[in-house]
Amino acid sequence: DTEVTQTPKHLVMGMTNKKSLKCEQHMGHRAMYWYKQKAKKPPELMFVYSYEKLSINESVPSRFSPECPNSSLLNLHLHALQPEDSALYLCASSQEGGLGETQYFGPGTRLLVL
Amino acid sequence: QQQVKQSPQSLIVQKGGISIINCAYENTAFDYFPWYQQFPGKGPALLIAIRPDVSEKKEGRFTISFNKSAKQFSLHIMDSQPGDSATYFCAASFSGNTPLVFGKGTRLSVIA
Repeated sequence: DTEVTQTPKHLVMGMTNKKSLKCEQHMGHRAMYWYKQKAKKPPELMFVYSYEKLSINESVPSRFSPECPNSSLLNLHLHALQPEDSALYLCASSQEGGLGETQYFGPGTRLLVL
Repeated sequence: QQQVKQSPQSLIVQKGGISIINCAYENTAFDYFPWYQQFPGKGPALLIAIRPDVSEKKEGRFTISFNKSAKQFSLHIMDSQPGDSATYFCAASFSGNTPLVFGKGTRLSVIA
């Protein structure tokens, strides 16, 4: 099973709302990633967790807060977002986060901030 | 130095033709070069990947050609089909817990 699942598929939220995105994988991978993808652009890395510890934060604003409760789950907590944060949010996982590992992407959550 | 430059931005190919997408990089520390395929509304999926110790890798209709001295690599899709219509991203990474650096993407349309 090479599946990464993400919920919800779509999310509409106001600028004062708090919401969370969820990602799950059961491949035994120890590295998990959050990406943001705008239309017609490549994915932009936001965060990397390796062995449940945050290893990379690509200078993401604090209104995005990642959490890795266990090796299979990754959350992204959203608070006080701006309309320009509307995008496809992708989760990915890989074996350990090292060289040459295949990253498996989920289908994404399409977020609209009003 | 961290960039991967991808061309063309969009490509229209007749069914049965060959689709060719090119990427170039500057950082010689890169040593893993994957290609991802993304359909609308879906996440990217790994298509094929290569390391610099080989000059070519083929999987079915998909071939990566790698030119280490020119710091270029390309994806060839033989016998292109309408089902291949998607956005293709090249990427690169190097040792350690480092992220993928993506090209800007190529939107391929295969017309019958």
